[in-house]
Amino acid sequence: LAKTTQPISMDSYEGQEVNITCSHNNIATNDYITWYQQFPSQGPRFIIQGYKTKVTNEVASLFIPADRKSSTLSLPRVSLSDTAVYYCLVGDKGGYSTLTFGKGTMLLVSP
Amino acid sequence: DARVTQTPRDKVTEMGQEVTMRCQPILGHNTVFWYRQTMMQGLELLAYFRNRAPLDDSGMPKDRFSAEMPDATLATLKIQPSEPRDSAVYFCASGLTPRRGTLLNASTDTQYFGPGTRLTVL
Repeated sequence: LAKTTQPISMDSYEGQEVNITCSHNNIATNDYITWYQQFPSQGPRFIIQGYKTKVTNEVASLFIPADRKSSTLSLPRVSLSDTAVYYCLVGDKGGYSTLTFGKGTMLLVSP
Repeated sequence: DARVTQTPRDKVTEMGQEVTMRCQPILGHNTVFWYRQTMMQGLELLAYFRNRAPLDDSGMPKDRFSAEMPDATLATLKIQPSEPRDSAVYFCASGLTPRRGTLLNASTDTQYFGPGTRLTVL
């Protein structure tokens, strides 16, 4: 399974754009990159998934360079409610390898 | 709005007692995961099932933990006997894993987590 590395914590203010970068140097050809968000006292929930280039949904954007050895989750104009732990995971989309959650990045958004 | 449900939400018990946690996966999902989360270890995968068959339980202490899926709508995680070090939040998640060779979009390949069971063993 590809190992991921992401910052332990990040601080931001309301209204700012936040970019969280994840390194996954040994990502395999079949691997997809998935990001989850976890609020206190809740289970993680899916945010976004991608394979290459850029993916955007109503919550976030995911930027993946051509070599796919890293990815950046971009949260536009964060609010206090975006304070959460964000996990970057890499795994086979077909589900034949399980996704491994690392320690994640604790994002604290202040007023 | 389909959701994974878990019971109980909170459980306080004494060391040595049996604990059973239950999970109802989203209807139609064929894969169920059990995770344990603590401050020190983060999220750890304990076991997972596909089509009710256990595929991997290597993350689970075999001597005291057991996981089963009596039917497609119920997954159980049992600890017997419980110990203080088992205190954690236990999450169940379900997902839809495609058959090999089948292409599905991203939203059908994700794990949907339940609210968790907070277990305290005194």
